[in-house]
Amino acid sequence: GNSVTQMEGPVTLSEEAFLTINCTYTATGYPSLFWYVQYPGEGLQLLLKATKADDKGSNKGFEATYRKETTSFHLEKGSVQVSDSAVYFCALSDRRDDKIIFGKGTRLHILP
Amino acid sequence: GAVVSQHPSWVICKSGTSVKIECRSLDFQATTMFWYRQFPKQSLMLMATSNEGSKATYEQGVEKDKFLINHASLTLSTLTVTSAHPEDSSFYICSALGDPPPNEQYFGPGTRLTVT
Repeated sequence: GNSVTQMEGPVTLSEEAFLTINCTYTATGYPSLFWYVQYPGEGLQLLLKATKADDKGSNKGFEATYRKETTSFHLEKGSVQVSDSAVYFCALSDRRDDKIIFGKGTRLHILP
Repeated sequence: GAVVSQHPSWVICKSGTSVKIECRSLDFQATTMFWYRQFPKQSLMLMATSNEGSKATYEQGVEKDKFLINHASLTLSTLTVTSAHPEDSSFYICSALGDPPPNEQYFGPGTRLTVT
């Protein structure tokens, strides 16, 4: 079945550091890939998405590229801010049924 | 933008009682809604798919008689936890799939259920 594996946290970085959160997936067919963010005390928000191979999703300085050859969708940001502290979920959706499969989430702490 | 609300945001109930959680799409119609459960520091686990006007589809291992789902209108789905027990304590999150598809899922803020 479909699954998502992402690096376990917590990840602690200093402000302005470079961020990478690894995500790999297993899926039949051609899923859509997502990164969601959950800020403390808030609901899930879609951060970015990519719907086909080699697509790059980007938002708020974050980006991720759909790599079919390595079945990966790593999240990157060149310079993180304290306000980026949150839990980040990698996810995929099988377009046949719209169900979203989530990774376990990676908690990110950014120190000032 | 598309907004999904949940009510209540948190609830405490005693063992053996039932609790109803509402999920509403405020500014769009949603034929399909999803219910998830999130354990502390863990991922969201899909419980069921709620379809307006028809029976919900439950994921393997989810007791349909314990978690009753009703999707009575294009903007409202409800999850009722029946005969709640402490192990049902969790964070329940709904999402609504905007119509017409293909479209994005919009997530509610979640409901924290504590069963004492």
